[in-house]
Amino acid sequence: EDKVVQSPLSLVVHEGDTVTLNCSYEVTNFRSLLWYKQEKKAPTFLFMLTSSGIEKKSGRLSSILDKKELSSILNITATQTGDSAIYLCAVSNLIFGKGTKLSVKP
Amino acid sequence: GAVVSQHPSRVICKSGTSVKIECRSLDFQATTMFWYRQFPKQSLMLMATSNEGSKATYEQGVEKDKFLINHASLTLSTLTVTSAHPEDSSFYICSASWSGISEKLFFGSGTQLSVL
Repeated sequence: EDKVVQSPLSLVVHEGDTVTLNCSYEVTNFRSLLWYKQEKKAPTFLFMLTSSGIEKKSGRLSSILDKKELSSILNITATQTGDSAIYLCAVSNLIFGKGTKLSVKP
Repeated sequence: GAVVSQHPSRVICKSGTSVKIECRSLDFQATTMFWYRQFPKQSLMLMATSNEGSKATYEQGVEKDKFLINHASLTLSTLTVTSAHPEDSSFYICSASWSGISEKLFFGSGTQLSVL
């Protein structure tokens, strides 16, 4: 059975901390791995990863895929309260993990 | 960025009635649209994938006769919950893609359905 597992399920940090969110997958047909941020209602796109070992960056956020380990990490440096959200990992946009709820305290 | 509009944002209905939810891509043509269900503190559960002009592909366990999906144009997909029951109460959300499952998705803002 295809599955995507995210860890931790929830995380509480203080502003300025660096966090690493994990996503591992077991799927029969991998095309891409995507990260989304869900603050209130609609998830918004962060990254799409298809190649192993190539880091993608956007400001304080970065992500990398490891196809050998069937996993990906999402890093957020110098966290801000506005980073508080649920971060979702999806494989081929078909299977979503349960998400990591990040809470950044001032 | 691309915008996906979903309506209504909230609907309350009586048990046994049908509810239609619309998902529109406002500034791009969506060849593929997805419908999800999300329970509180749970992740998105894919219900079905719809391609314009063809029948939707439903995930295992999703009743196609209960959750009718129509993708009549490249900018509009609808989900109709037929004969709704209280257990159908949930947050329903759609997403759209330019070219299928390999591209990033743009999500609607979701519809909170409450069936009394």
